Amino acid sequence: DGGITQSPKYLFRKEGQNVTLSCEQNLNHDAMYWYRQDPGQGLRLIYYSQIVNDFQKGDIAEGYSVSREKKESFPLTVTSAQKNPTAFYLCASSTGGLTDTQYFGPGTRLTVL
Amino acid sequence: AQTVTQSQPEMSVQEAETVTLSCTYDTSESDYYLFWYKQPPSRQMILVIRQEAYKQQNATENRFSVNFQKAAKSFSLKISDSQLGDAAMYFCAYRRPLSGADGLTFGKGTHLIIQP
Repeated sequence: DGGITQSPKYLFRKEGQNVTLSCEQNLNHDAMYWYRQDPGQGLRLIYYSQIVNDFQKGDIAEGYSVSREKKESFPLTVTSAQKNPTAFYLCASSTGGLTDTQYFGPGTRLTVL
Repeated sequence: AQTVTQSQPEMSVQEAETVTLSCTYDTSESDYYLFWYKQPPSRQMILVIRQEAYKQQNATENRFSVNFQKAAKSFSLKISDSQLGDAAMYFCAYRRPLSGADGLTFGKGTHLIIQP
């Protein structure tokens, strides 16, 4: 089945620890994205990548880092510099063309204790 | 910067009736894309419908249709014959017309309740 997978579904970390969220897609999409969702809020863009080995900051990139070494994978690291890391994180992918439509993974709920 | 506003935090409708969710946006672009996404309790974001700004015809997908008013920068979603499975958060989103990938700008969402 083609789709986007995110793991784990729930993640708990102690304050001050870095944590990496996984996102994999087998849709052969060029572009991938990370969004953050807080209660009562819409999604906000953290980072996105149009092609392998290239990525751009979104609206709220501070305290996060990404890599894009493979087309299928776009992991997000939440660093200790992120002041309020507890949130729901959603990964998306798209073809990257002009008629681009983003499709989302199931999300990871990160709780920092 | 683009902004998307959903002025109805919560809407309620009787099963089988019609409901309209509102969305307005602010942009200086003349061409762009608009989307409605549904987020059920599972929290999976599901594409409902999309609209290209250069198309005058309103998009339709089965029971879902939009009323796109470009001059008013309005993009409302109409759900006909509401079903219990339509209960969810609905998000309006905007994308610039750049070639290649670009992030979406989302509204804060409308919580839709379906009364049986």
